Amino acid sequence: NAGVMQNPRHLVRRRGQEARLRCSPMKGHSHVYWYRQLPEEGLKFMVYLQKENIIDESGMPKERFSAEFPKEGPSILRIQQVVRGDSAAYFCASSSSNSGANVLTFGAGSRLTVL
Amino acid sequence: KNEVEQSPQNLTAQEGEFITINCSYSVGISALHWLQQHPGGGIVSLFMLSSGKKKHGRLIATINIQEKHSSLHITASHPRDSAVYICAAPNTGNQFYFGTGTSLTVIP
Repeated sequence: NAGVMQNPRHLVRRRGQEARLRCSPMKGHSHVYWYRQLPEEGLKFMVYLQKENIIDESGMPKERFSAEFPKEGPSILRIQQVVRGDSAAYFCASSSSNSGANVLTFGAGSRLTVL
Repeated sequence: KNEVEQSPQNLTAQEGEFITINCSYSVGISALHWLQQHPGGGIVSLFMLSSGKKKHGRLIATINIQEKHSSLHITASHPRDSAVYICAAPNTGNQFYFGTGTSLTVIP
């Protein structure tokens, strides 16, 4: 059981480019959460997805950010036209149900640096 | 005011000391989570508890639902315990509110 796999671990982009971050949930988990951790700040919720559905995207910036969790393959967080302020660690977590009373398993994170 | 408040923000302890990290929350929750973020950045879920107390090795977590307060204790602290400890409270909408974390440094 490989746990939650995120890739790439580190990604460098120039302003205006696109960033794609991938997350494969733990085996048996169908609920995926994305969080962003800005430098010197705490974790912030971005989006909650189930297979082929966005359940809650209230934490997503209104522009340039999108997320999907297709029927096959990993969940993808996509950031278009990146800006320096997008530099952060992006963490994915998965759980077996949508209850907050279930343990979240976190991935190791993807660190995005925008030059 | 943040929905989840942690204290202290930074904590330095000598090896062997008993450590307490506190978490207060204002949202209604089904359970409270304690997370550990390693110096390398990886996050591990330590505890999920909805009442009483849980123990895992030298770590103990307690929660008082009425007072909306939880504590994480580390007994016989060790330098490898140095990490950021984060309290997280899920609301009914599946969002997690996170504390800003407590950065713990244990000195040999």
